[in-house]
Amino acid sequence: DVKVTQSSRYLVKRTGEKVFLECVQDMDHENMFWYRQDPGLGLRLIYFSYDVKMKEKGDIPEGYSVSREKKERFSLILESASTNQTSMYLCASTPFLPRASPDGYTFGSGTRLTVV
Amino acid sequence: SQQGEEDPQALSIQEGENATMNCSYKTSINNLQWYRQNSGRGLVHLILIRSNEREKHSGRLRVTLDTSKKSSSLLITASRAADTASYFCATVQGAQKLVFGQGTRLTINP
Repeated sequence: DVKVTQSSRYLVKRTGEKVFLECVQDMDHENMFWYRQDPGLGLRLIYFSYDVKMKEKGDIPEGYSVSREKKERFSLILESASTNQTSMYLCASTPFLPRASPDGYTFGSGTRLTVV
Repeated sequence: SQQGEEDPQALSIQEGENATMNCSYKTSINNLQWYRQNSGRGLVHLILIRSNEREKHSGRLRVTLDTSKKSSSLLITASRAADTASYFCATVQGAQKLVFGQGTRLTINP
């Protein structure tokens, strides 16, 4: 069964800390994504990557960076965590076009991050 | 930027009834996808309908797509308590960037 694994379900960090959220997929997918989900704002794309060492800014990249050193792993980094980064973070992956997969995107279970 | 907009925002029905959720979008699409999210969990892909398809079925799910109206609907027949979740439509923009609507919160009352 295809899988996207996020390293933590719940995380509590202090303001100013450097935070790493890890995401690993075992499906050999080229594309990986980081979204955050907030009540009333829905899912918003932070960053995505279409290949190793490649990254593209999404709609809300400020305050975040990413790393993709290996195909299966896509890390989201909060350089200096702030309280407005308290949110649910969701990682997803998908095959590259033109193999438009009938299975859509595969999501991890999410990491609920609280910054205090 | 939100591409899909779901309607209604919340829906509460009795078990056994059918649930219909609608989605409208703004730009041309290659396909439209529906996802489900149980409370506090990740999203699960339900069904994908391509722009040249008008209707698609998967078990108790029926999805329609009207590209002239830029709208889609998701019908869940014979609802069950386990169908309680949020449902999102999503469309692909550019090279595989998936953009979601705000979602419909569905509650199935036993």
